[in-house]
Parts: sequence; structure tokens; C-alpha cells
Amino acid sequence: QSALTQPASVSGSPGQSITISCTGTSSDVGDYNYVSWYQQHPGKAPKLMIYDVSNRPSGISNRFSGSKSGNTASLTISGLQAEDEADYYCISYTSISTWVFGGGTKLTVL
Amino acid sequence: QLQLQESGPGLVKSSETLSLACSVSGGSISSTNYYWGWIRQPPGKGLEWIGSKYSGSTYYNPSLKSRVTISVDTPKNQFSLKLSSVTAEDTAVYYCARHQKQWVGDAFDIWGQGTMVTVSS
Repeated sequence: QSALTQPASVSGSPGQSITISCTGTSSDVGDYNYVSWYQQHPGKAPKLMIYDVSNRPSGISNRFSGSKSGNTASLTISGLQAEDEADYYCISYTSISTWVFGGGTKLTVL
Repeated sequence: QLQLQESGPGLVKSSETLSLACSVSGGSISSTNYYWGWIRQPPGKGLEWIGSKYSGSTYYNPSLKSRVTISVDTPKNQFSLKLSSVTAEDTAVYYCARHQKQWVGDAFDIWGQGTMVTVSS
């Protein structure tokens, strides 16, 4: 199975909004609403931010939102804050009952 | 609240078997709402799903399937990972995680802190 495609890096200024894309195929992202997103700070374990495309776990800021169109899922962070600077990963369920991660996106807050 | 803690050797010789355990505290590993999974991250690289298991249902990454075994030990409230015939490419931080089943919301919601495993020649 091939990794989902994410941009290597994105950047934005404090207060702005950014969107990170996660592109798969009709056998994963396109066919299931089982995409989740994770934030990872250096040297730390990943943290769940969004599940089932657009649901936020308890305690996650509503500045984080998710969506999907066709084979591409997206994570949007509004009102960027310095603490949002981290790596972000998507993962999707697939048609062969496996899960596949995206390559990860480094978010820089300018 | 539920916590996960990985344990095992930090150094494994090439061609041998990597063995890690994940202890679950603050909750039961028997809950029917969850799988128990392993994810790894080579130094400076991205995350890779290794596999997830609950009772008789086990799912493995196809690229690792021939070398991987995940087991669940209910009495000990822990689960384990075995990866055979390791090479330098298996050097990574290994994370254990609770994997919510789809009717709960498909996601890895709780993670261990991770343990670094280096494969030496």
C-alpha cells in the first residue's frame, strides 16, 4: 500500500489559517470516512486531533477542523498560534482492512 | 485515565527478533471497543502503522506481515510486538497505542511515550 500524500511543509503567521491536504485513492480516503489527524511535537508521541474526517476529541480546540472531498482529506487550523508549530500526520482505513499514514507535514508558524 | 507504557531492549542484533511489550494501566485491555496497535517512526522520518489486534482479529501492514506478530495477554493487561529478521531499516521509535474501533470513532486515541530500538550489525 502506498502512503497518503501530504505536503512536506506549510507555514503561516500567527492568527492566520492554514490547510494541510492528505491525498489518497478511491481505496482508502475516497471510500471511507475513517481519516484521522495527529499532531506531533519534537520528541513527543503523536496526539489525536481529528477522527472520522471531521470529529474533534474532547479537549481539542475548535480551531482545528477536518473535511474531505473525493480522495483528499484536509486539516484546517484557524487562528494560528505558536504552539501549533509541529508535524501533522493523516491516516486512513483502506479497502484491504489495513491503515496507511501520510508522509507528514511540518507546520511552521512564522 | 488509561496509560500505555512500552518496554523492551533498546538494542537488537541484525537478523534477530525484536520483542516489545506494552503495559496498559488505568483500564482493561478486554474492552470490546478497542484494538491494540503498534506504530513506528524511523529517525527523522514519518509514522508507519505496523498492526492492530483485538481477540481473534489481527491486521498487519502488508509490507511487514511476514515478519510481525502482535499478541494480547489479557491476564497481564498487556500486549506485545515481535518483529523477526530485523535489519537496520527496522531502527525506529516504536509506539504502542489504543486503537478505537470504527463504531467508536476510528482513531489511535491514546499513545505510549515510545521506545527507541536500534538494530546493530
